[in-house]
Amino acid sequence: DIVMTQSPDSLAVSLGERATINCKSSQSVLYSSNNKNYLAWYQQKPGQPPKLLIYWASTRESGVPDRFSGSGSGTDFTLTISSLQAEDVAVYYCQQYYSTPPVTFGPGTKVDIK
Amino acid sequence: QLQLQESGPGLVKPSETLSLTCTVSGGSISSSSYYWGWIRQPPGKGLEWIGSIYYSGSTYYNPSLKSRVTISVDTSKNQFSLKLSSVTAADTAVYYCARHVAGCSGGSCYSLHFDYWGQGTLVTVSS
Repeated sequence: DIVMTQSPDSLAVSLGERATINCKSSQSVLYSSNNKNYLAWYQQKPGQPPKLLIYWASTRESGVPDRFSGSGSGTDFTLTISSLQAEDVAVYYCQQYYSTPPVTFGPGTKVDIK
Repeated sequence: QLQLQESGPGLVKPSETLSLTCTVSGGSISSSSYYWGWIRQPPGKGLEWIGSIYYSGSTYYNPSLKSRVTISVDTSKNQFSLKLSSVTAADTAVYYCARHVAGCSGGSCYSLHFDYWGQGTLVTVSS
């Protein structure tokens, strides 16, 4: 199984400042034949289901604000919120879909306002 | 707009079988472009994928739950269902149904990211 880890567990950022969340996979999720990283990011607000933000590691889902961006390749990935807004308070999860089953998620990173 | 809605008992007794149904509206469950999956989240914890099904009925499950899980699809009702047997308190969670985008290559299809989720339903295992 591919194990996903995230860091930090939580962070508090001032409004308008940058938030950076890291995700690491236990093995590469880069598929060499198409040069795509099989990694997605989700946002989950309290009492709501997760919402897809990013797939293929860096492709923003339709309707997602451009302050959210994904980067990285292989085993190390980053979700960046360039200018934190109050509505971005949530838990963020990464997910690999390179090697399934099982589909695996990271443990989550909680983002709060400082 | 695609919508997914989970339904089923909110309370299940230990050792019994948990049964949930996900009704899909605003789109066809028979599309070859998607898989349909179940994910759960224990209170205050992270996400655990349970298993997924293709419209053809092809399934794949989380190995950690495989012996207890059955997922089925009813294309005539645009629904798919989850059965989890021999439940314990550790199975208490919010259960979500979701749609995976499918990628197909060389005659094989595989599931990718989840793009639509239901609102989730809390299932408590208790006597």
